[in-house]
Amino acid sequence: QQQVKQSPQSLIVQKGGISIINCAYENTAFDYFPWYQQFPGKGPALLIAIRPDVSEKKEGRFTISFNKSAKQFSLHIMDSQPGDSATYFCAAPSGNTGKLIFGQGTTLQVKP
Amino acid sequence: EADIYQTPRYLVIGTGKKITLECSQTMGHDKMYWYQQDPGMELHLIHYSYGVNSTEKGDLSSESTVSRIRTEHFPLTLESARPSHTSQYLCASSEERQTRYLNEQFFGPGTRLTVL
Repeated sequence: QQQVKQSPQSLIVQKGGISIINCAYENTAFDYFPWYQQFPGKGPALLIAIRPDVSEKKEGRFTISFNKSAKQFSLHIMDSQPGDSATYFCAAPSGNTGKLIFGQGTTLQVKP
Repeated sequence: EADIYQTPRYLVIGTGKKITLECSQTMGHDKMYWYQQDPGMELHLIHYSYGVNSTEKGDLSSESTVSRIRTEHFPLTLESARPSHTSQYLCASSEERQTRYLNEQFFGPGTRLTVL
């Protein structure tokens, strides 16, 4: 079974700083890598995703950097805000089933 | 409004009771999933369904069972609840597409189950 290894487990950043979360994955034939954001008491929601034809995807303050050869991708949150405090999960496809394998999660706390 | 619903949101129950966690989606999605998640921890897939009358076990072994009689409804049942079943259960759905790329999974708010 493919694994997705996520780090760090927790992260504390000052308001206005940059938050960086990393993920590494094993072999996959389907290069679609989403990041999910989960607030306490809520289900995860898709934040941003990247496909293999680009090395970087930016949406507002959120950027995914993708390194296919290294099988790594990372989430960068620029100008981090207290409202960004949540748990973030990277994921990778499990074959062509539609299933996702999730990383272990990173709990981000942005201090005011 | 298209959405995915889970009931109950919270459930506290005694050992040995039979429980059913409800999940419904109004998006017409073919694929549905059940995940188990301890607070702030990794999501573990316990069941998934490709469509009506199609259910399979996920990567994490679970004593629960599921059914998919209608596209929009994917209930999860525990015949005899135990304290080890205490966890959060998340339901999700996604769209069936004949493409190489996978689709976004939409999650419900979850059911937090406590078995005493």
